Amino acid sequence: EPEVTQTPSHQVTQMGQEVILRCVPISNHLYFYWYRQILGQKVEFLVSFYNNEISEKSEIFDDQFSVERPDGSNFTLKIRSTKLEDSAMYFCASRDFHNEQFFGPGTRLTVL
Amino acid sequence: DAKTTQPPSMDCAEGRAANLPCNHSTISGNEYVYWYRQIHSQGPQYIIHGLKNNETNEMASLIITEDRKSSTLILPHATLRDTAVYYCIVSRAPSFSSGSARQLTFGSGTQLTVLP
Repeated sequence: EPEVTQTPSHQVTQMGQEVILRCVPISNHLYFYWYRQILGQKVEFLVSFYNNEISEKSEIFDDQFSVERPDGSNFTLKIRSTKLEDSAMYFCASRDFHNEQFFGPGTRLTVL
Repeated sequence: DAKTTQPPSMDCAEGRAANLPCNHSTISGNEYVYWYRQIHSQGPQYIIHGLKNNETNEMASLIITEDRKSSTLILPHATLRDTAVYYCIVSRAPSFSSGSARQLTFGSGTQLTVLP
């Protein structure tokens, strides 16, 4: 069964450093998403991507964040200058024209 | 999207049916009811969705009341592996014409614990 994959599974970085989280969505899907979950808190929407552009973004998704689909298979989330409060699990998701979103296993980002 | 209300926690005996309620009294006519679950910090997993008819798949059944103001997710024979946080989410379907991707808004969900 096709699945969404994410790399790395765990990323440790120093405050102020740039990180890129990578996702490979399911191949025929059209919509792509990033969510995050701070430990013990709710899953929060960050951004959605459709037709090679951002569809919607939340208040969390400020100028420090960017997304890209560089090669038709990968979908990346970049955080330019990480803060301590960016420490969280980051989940990528994708969907086709059906309603269900398929989530990846997540990347645990730890900012020191 | 309409707000949902779920009990914070429930227990269920292994092998018995787990019935998880959800209230969504402000749901509008074009909004679907989705259920996802999250097993201990893994990525959320889609379970089932419906608009107004009851739905069943290999994982669960979804019963939506006639007025659509509440629904129940039924796991017919719960196993220990069904222990998870279950989220009831109300959202419209994605729109190709507007490009709206209809992100999911997760609440706190119901922590279901299946007991041996």
